[in-house]
Amino acid sequence: GAVVSQHPSRVICKSGTSVKIECRSLDFQATTMFWYRQFPKKSLMLMATSNEGSKATYEQGVEKDKFLINHASLTLSTLTVTSAHPEDSSFYICSARTTGRETQYFGPGTRLLVL
Amino acid sequence: GEDVEQSLFLSVREGDSSVINCTYTDSSSTYLYWYKQEPGAGLQLLTYIFSNMDMKQDQRLTVLLNKKDKHLSLRIADTQTGDSAIYFCAESRMSTDKLIFGTGTRLQVFP
Repeated sequence: GAVVSQHPSRVICKSGTSVKIECRSLDFQATTMFWYRQFPKKSLMLMATSNEGSKATYEQGVEKDKFLINHASLTLSTLTVTSAHPEDSSFYICSARTTGRETQYFGPGTRLLVL
Repeated sequence: GEDVEQSLFLSVREGDSSVINCTYTDSSSTYLYWYKQEPGAGLQLLTYIFSNMDMKQDQRLTVLLNKKDKHLSLRIADTQTGDSAIYFCAESRMSTDKLIFGTGTRLQVFP
């Protein structure tokens, strides 16, 4: 139980284009989803928290117009990197949690490379 | 502060025990977690401990929590080559939804 998937697993795009990453909870209802970014050999940096049906809450320093987050259903959240630039290249990981449970379950991550 | 710190690297021989340490600063932590990350993959939840406990054992894994010293450890018994990965501790607090992650410890197991 508690499986979270991400799609795509890796994506290469041209500078200036937008990329959408999906995060799905496969066997539970994810009332809250989190998006993290991980730089090489570094820890995870929380980007934003989204509750189903509400606007995402972004961490300080994260541009909400650049990293668009949608959490329209209890099993799906999307992160769209708009007008991507090479410095946006990173490993993006989502996690999901259900109401009343503390534990976050993580997706396998999406590696984004912007050329 | 929000610092959660771990040593960067640990190398052990196959069959030995591994002990990965973590220190945190916030005394209001409710749960403390250990996650495992293999190369190019997401995080796998290994185990967690509630802040009012001082020990939890789960098969080869033993978690020790010293709340007074704000010190958490993960002991892996009979370490195998498949245990080679990066291990992150993380704390959650009652006041926020956030998980605060440690810096990660790279465990290397050699034959």
